Amino acid sequence: GEDVEQSLFLSVREGDSSVINCTYTDSSSTYLYWYKQEPGAGLQLLTYIFSNMDMKQDQRLTVLLNKKDKHLSLRIADTQTGDSAIYFCAESPNRDDKIIFGKGTRLHILP
Amino acid sequence: DGGITQSPKYLFRKEGQNVTLSCEQNLNHDAMYWYRQDPGQGLRLIYYSQIVNDFQKGDIAEGYSVSREKKESFPLTVTSAQKNPTAFYLCASSATRAGRILNYGYTFGSGTRLTVV
Repeated sequence: GEDVEQSLFLSVREGDSSVINCTYTDSSSTYLYWYKQEPGAGLQLLTYIFSNMDMKQDQRLTVLLNKKDKHLSLRIADTQTGDSAIYFCAESPNRDDKIIFGKGTRLHILP
Repeated sequence: DGGITQSPKYLFRKEGQNVTLSCEQNLNHDAMYWYRQDPGQGLRLIYYSQIVNDFQKGDIAEGYSVSREKKESFPLTVTSAQKNPTAFYLCASSATRAGRILNYGYTFGSGTRLTVV
């Protein structure tokens, strides 16, 4: 199938790390993406990783890629209230002219 | 600044009416896309276009129509045949090379919320 799978909800205490996991389907995907959607807004590209990389770090964000297991994760360090949003995992298969999105993980921040 | 603009932000449709959602980009992107978002269902692709005067159906094209007369513009018409049009509609664009999407993926507009009254 063509589904990108991710859990629908995650609750994390403010100040802790958040880890959002995703499995994708196409080993030919050149790029893998994480998008963030705040309430009532469009999606914003957070970060992407090239398929020949294992890890990418950008300030509080760390992306880990396990190509063998087709597993992608996004770690947000020191989670803040402004991180409350829906996070979408996505892949860009070589055989396709579209990006395939997961259903999104809603991150809820506990005080 | 370059970007992608959707209008209006909120739209109300009466039963049996056609309505058109606007999407304009000044990023010089070749490809444009329309998605529908319902709670808990993620993004569902309605139509997409890789080049001017050409477009393809996505997964849920029934009850919708599009045109791509200019590179910058990709309007979506929600027709009366769409029985459940209340949703959040997102437009996106991307740069491509030889049909492949480049590394920074899609740029999204801020969305239009359509409600049937």
